Amino acid sequence: ETGVTQSPTHLIKTRGQQVTLRCSSQSGHNTVSWYQQALGQGPQFIFQYYREEENGRGNFPPRFSGLQFPNYSSELNVNALELDDSALYLCASSPPRTSAIEQYFGPGTRLTVT
Amino acid sequence: AQKVTQAQTEISVVEKEDVTLDCVYETRDTTYYLFWYKQPPSGELVFLIRRNSFDEQNEISGRYSWNFQKSTSSFNFTITASQVVDSAVYFCALSPEGEGYQKVTFGTGTKLQVIP
Repeated sequence: ETGVTQSPTHLIKTRGQQVTLRCSSQSGHNTVSWYQQALGQGPQFIFQYYREEENGRGNFPPRFSGLQFPNYSSELNVNALELDDSALYLCASSPPRTSAIEQYFGPGTRLTVT
Repeated sequence: AQKVTQAQTEISVVEKEDVTLDCVYETRDTTYYLFWYKQPPSGELVFLIRRNSFDEQNEISGRYSWNFQKSTSSFNFTITASQVVDSAVYFCALSPEGEGYQKVTFGTGTKLQVIP
């Protein structure tokens, strides 16, 4: 059974650019959550997708958006990148009807904004 | 509002010593879940334990044990006979219990260094 995978592993972008991060959920999981983890901090919840719709959102501006596809994989898009967007972005998938109580995390994408 | 406090930023112990990581939480929810995750240098969060607020029974799993005390809103984690492989950042987290979407709130983490 393949776990949660994320791509790319590392990414360097310039302020003002746009970025797309990708996540493949674990087989059988239909919920995907995204987190931002700044250096030295705990993960901060960005949003969650369930059945291709946003199911909950943290305190992040609209320039953070996402998609979930029919195969339950997901994308995180960030527009107009700012220096503070530099962080590790973690994706977590959950089996049906478990949501937050059972999350399996991917290895993350390290985004650096210069 | 939910809040998780991990007051210990960094802890260093010598291999084979016991170490306790503290976690204090705040919530207005009557039912909730508490978690501990381990984050090794590779970055991936590894699930260690989940505890429902109704279940205050302490748990032991090998060298790991957890002490949940609702009266003091604490959920502490003890590693017995620490090993170098235990070196990582450990996060305590909290989530309301309920249907549908439930937000998970993480603490700021405790970095544990086990010295050989």
